[in-house]
Amino acid sequence: AQSVTQLDSQVPVFEEAPVELRCNYSSSVSVYLFWYVQYPNQGLQLLLKYLSGSTLVKGINGFEAEFNKSQTSFHLRKPSVHISDTAEYFCAVRIVAAGNKLTFGGGTRVLVKP
Amino acid sequence: SAVISQKPSRDICQRGTSLTIQCQVDSQVTMMFWYRQQPGQSLTLIATANQGSEATYESGFVIDKFPISRPNLTFSTLTVSNMSPEDSSIYLCSVEGETGKVTEAFFGQGTRLTVV
Repeated sequence: AQSVTQLDSQVPVFEEAPVELRCNYSSSVSVYLFWYVQYPNQGLQLLLKYLSGSTLVKGINGFEAEFNKSQTSFHLRKPSVHISDTAEYFCAVRIVAAGNKLTFGGGTRVLVKP
Repeated sequence: SAVISQKPSRDICQRGTSLTIQCQVDSQVTMMFWYRQQPGQSLTLIATANQGSEATYESGFVIDKFPISRPNLTFSTLTVSNMSPEDSSIYLCSVEGETGKVTEAFFGQGTRLTVV
């Protein structure tokens, strides 16, 4: 079974500073990768996804992520954060050709400070 | 994309009672998913609900505790039965973007349940 590890449970960051959220997965087969954001008292919203092709994926709100197959990682980055980026971020994995089940990481809480 | 409405958005319930959560989608979908998000935790899949068949439950979740209905392609309910404080969580409904294609999952805003 696959697992998803988000290495940081909390990341405090100052406004306009860069941020990187780390995500590693364990799977011996091909996967699809996703990053979701959850703002306070809301459901999950997709930031970006990797299905195939270019390993650098750009998403909404200035976020991007890079798929590294050899390191089984899919780290999320933003060069300059805003106060409004304060939220919980979840990495998720779906195994190719294994149905639609998503496995989520434990989440990383980003707190942007002025 | 899909727009998902969940009701209620939050509730405070007495232990031993049951709560039914409704999930309405603005388009027809084959599969609907129910997740639980315990306080400070990630999402855990409870079950997958297909129209016209029994839901498929993940390990650790049983039908007697979390009965699910799926009467048509746009609606599903999840009941949390005989509640205890340990059931206090956010419950989220989710659907896939397009049947047969790998797209992102769409989520409702969740139902925040507190059991006292």
